[in-house]
Amino acid sequence: DAMVIQNPRYQVTQFGKPVTLSCSQTLNHNVMYWYQQKSSQAPKLLFHYYDKDFNNEADTPDNFQSRRPNTSFCFLDIRSPGLGDAAMYLCATSSNLAGERNEQFFGPGTRLTVL
Amino acid sequence: GENVEQHPSTLSVQEGDSAVIKCTYSDSASNYFPWYKQELGKRPQLIIDIRSNVGEKKDQRIAVTLNKTAKHFSLHITETQPEDSAVYFCAASSNDYKLSFGAGTTVTVRA
Repeated sequence: DAMVIQNPRYQVTQFGKPVTLSCSQTLNHNVMYWYQQKSSQAPKLLFHYYDKDFNNEADTPDNFQSRRPNTSFCFLDIRSPGLGDAAMYLCATSSNLAGERNEQFFGPGTRLTVL
Repeated sequence: GENVEQHPSTLSVQEGDSAVIKCTYSDSASNYFPWYKQELGKRPQLIIDIRSNVGEKKDQRIAVTLNKTAKHFSLHITETQPEDSAVYFCAASSNDYKLSFGAGTTVTVRA
């Protein structure tokens, strides 16, 4: 089945220790997103790639970076995790081609714990 | 940018009753309005969406209405069942791909 896959599902890191979360998709969608979701809150968009073009949200901290080496993969790098970065990180994809439905497909998320 | 407000934040209904969640948006250019359901510990999943050229859309027990003049849209769930218990998010988009989410409504269906 075509899907959005995130690894790992659970990640524990230490305060200040860099961590990388990964996302892959078999949907061949041209847009990929990274969201941060804290308990009982809506997903908060950090950034997205429209094809190869990176788009950062204005309030995303510099501590968060992203890479998209090809259509299928996208990575979220947190350079120096703080306690406030503990959250669920959701990857999503959508197809913005003409005639396509604009539904965003979410991965299962990576639960990040910062000790 | 777009601002989406969602009410209520929590909703408890008796099984079999209807549930209504309301959202308002600020950007008159918004033209796509999806609703996502997120069960505890799971990913958000699209349950229904509507475009600005349509006033109402229905899919079995779920319906969405849109009032462009007033800039509000609503989700209606009829004959609620325990499996409808989840957090529901409305969203709006003006550029066909980037979404602005509401804060979410936690729906609890009492058996």
